[in-house]
Order: sequence, then structure tokens, then C-alpha cells
Amino acid sequence: EAQVTQNPRYLITVTGKKLTVTCSQNMNHEYMSWYRQDPGLGLRQIYYSMNVEVTDKGDVPEGYKVSRKEKRNFPLILESPSPNQTSLYFCASGPTGGPYNEQFFGPGTRLTVL
Amino acid sequence: DQQVKQNSPSLSVQEGRISILNCDYTNSMFDYFLWYKKYPAEGPTFLISISSIKDKNEDGRFTVFLNKSAKHLSLHIVPSQPGDSAVYFCAASAYNAGNMLTFGGGTRLMVKP
Repeated sequence: EAQVTQNPRYLITVTGKKLTVTCSQNMNHEYMSWYRQDPGLGLRQIYYSMNVEVTDKGDVPEGYKVSRKEKRNFPLILESPSPNQTSLYFCASGPTGGPYNEQFFGPGTRLTVL
Repeated sequence: DQQVKQNSPSLSVQEGRISILNCDYTNSMFDYFLWYKKYPAEGPTFLISISSIKDKNEDGRFTVFLNKSAKHLSLHIVPSQPGDSAVYFCAASAYNAGNMLTFGGGTRLMVKP
């Protein structure tokens, strides 16, 4: 089944404790991206990657890191989480090659930083 | 400032009637628009899209209308069904931005039986 998977689905942590949210896709997509969803603000892009070893900042990159060592994986790293990073996070992937391409989303990771 | 806005956070409609969800944008570079649907505890799923060269696109019960001069688009669902109850996100993209999408804040649609 074609899908985007994220782990963990739920995470409660404390301020300053480094964490990683994994994202994996099995559709051989070049493009991958991370979003956070907050009430009233919709989905805001954190980082995106056009291909392996190519990453770039989205609209809200502060406090986050990413890496793209393999095509299928795109982990999101919070080196020192803070309470304002409490949010619902979505990973997405999509094909490239055209100007407009649909993105496929994972099920989400709900993060709470105390 | 948000470039894509959905000014109605929620909408309640009776089953069988029409649901109209609205979206406004400010960036004139946007030329492709998408609607995503999201159920609780799931990721958004693509619903329907429209290019700026069109003013209407239809897919079954779902129709998207685009008014470029007003920088406004709307999603019509006819007839509405209880299974349509979800959060709907409007998203926009520009030709030179490839896959990058800018999302609105979402509208929660409730279809009452």
C-alpha cells in the first residue's frame, strides 16, 4: 500500500530534551516536506526537500532540523524542544517533474512539550 | 500575514443541502489551487484542484470555482452527506514554486443527518 508513515504518533516530552520524529514514504517520491498544524493557522511548512541531500527552509524553520540521506526517509529533529513547539506535525511527499504536484500526507504526530 | 485565508472556521449544513466553503488569497503569483480534506486522527487527503486557466472544475459531488479578479475560490459540495463532515483546507501554489503549498486555516464542516 502506498503510504507515508510517521513515528511516533503521539509524544509528550519536556523542554530541552532532544527528539526525532521519523517519516518514511514508499512511493519513490523526490519531494518531502514537514508541516505543523496549529488552530486557525492551517498547515505551515517547516522544511522541505526536493531530493536526497537537498533541503530548504519553509515558513517556520526556527527550532527544527531535518536531513535527507535516503530518498524514502525525512526525519524531523528538535534539538531543544520548547513549549511553543507543541503542535500537530505532518510529513508529506510528492513527485516532482511538473509545476504542480499533489502531496500525500502521513497520519500526523501530536507533540506536547511540557 | 496569511496569504491564504479561510474566514469561516466552521460551517453546519443539513444532509442533502449544498455546502459552500470559501477561500481568499492575496498573492497574485498563485496559479494553482487545491482542496484537502482532513478527518480526525488522519492526515489531509487531496480532494480537488483547479488551475488558474479555468474558472470551474467538477468531480462528482465536488465543484471548485475560481474568481481570479476577486482572488477568491470556493468549494461546493452537492448534495452534502454526513461522511463529508471533516476539516477542509484550501491550498495554493505558484508555478515557480514547484511542490510548495501555502495553506489556509481550515473550515470545519458538519453535515447533520
